[in-house]
Amino acid sequence: GAGVSQTPSNKVTEKGKYVELRCDPISGHTALYWYRQSLGQGPEFLIYFQGTGAADDSGLPNDRFFAVRPEGSVSTLKIQRTERGDSAVYLCASSSGLSNTEAFFGQGTRLTVV
Amino acid sequence: GDSVTQMEGPVTLSEEAFLTINCTYTATGYPSLFWYVQYPGEGLQLLLKATKADDKGSNKGFEATYRKETTSFHLEKGSVQVSDSAVYFCALSENRSTDKLIFGTGTRLQVFP
Repeated sequence: GAGVSQTPSNKVTEKGKYVELRCDPISGHTALYWYRQSLGQGPEFLIYFQGTGAADDSGLPNDRFFAVRPEGSVSTLKIQRTERGDSAVYLCASSSGLSNTEAFFGQGTRLTVV
Repeated sequence: GDSVTQMEGPVTLSEEAFLTINCTYTATGYPSLFWYVQYPGEGLQLLLKATKADDKGSNKGFEATYRKETTSFHLEKGSVQVSDSAVYFCALSENRSTDKLIFGTGTRLQVFP
């Protein structure tokens, strides 16, 4: 596609359930990022992939959060045992992987935990 | 750690007014600085950037100058339009190996005709 695609656009889940959020980056982009944006805040970094490997996962808040990118393209962010505090917009971005190049953002997945 | 502080909104202006949105940063090294914009119903878009001190980023009539002495990157536009209404985020990137971004909290701009 022409841009970064995230699905679903909205997800409502019950506390304690497991959710998966998907990101399709721009074709050919080797770098992929996940950010979380809580209401009234700026996006906060979660994890960075270069190719298939998670090169920096220092932003993941705890071990309930996990992300994969098995073929170096599509990425899935997985959240186990969801809590109400996980409610936020989860943003994905991709870039060419060269230093200082623009990161292109998707429109995000709004996750609501009830 | 690194951080970005930007003025709280909303900023409310009439069309053709002058805009300034303040942004200051804290960083241990020499970060690259960015302004991103989020129009209603759309994803974040890069508006402009500057990679070293005294650089000026510009795009769509917006400008921001990287001021190392004041650790600032204020966003300015001489004459705003209704279509500029959006949320503006200041951000920095210091890690050259990852280019991960650290964002401010965002400033909502509302421009009225």
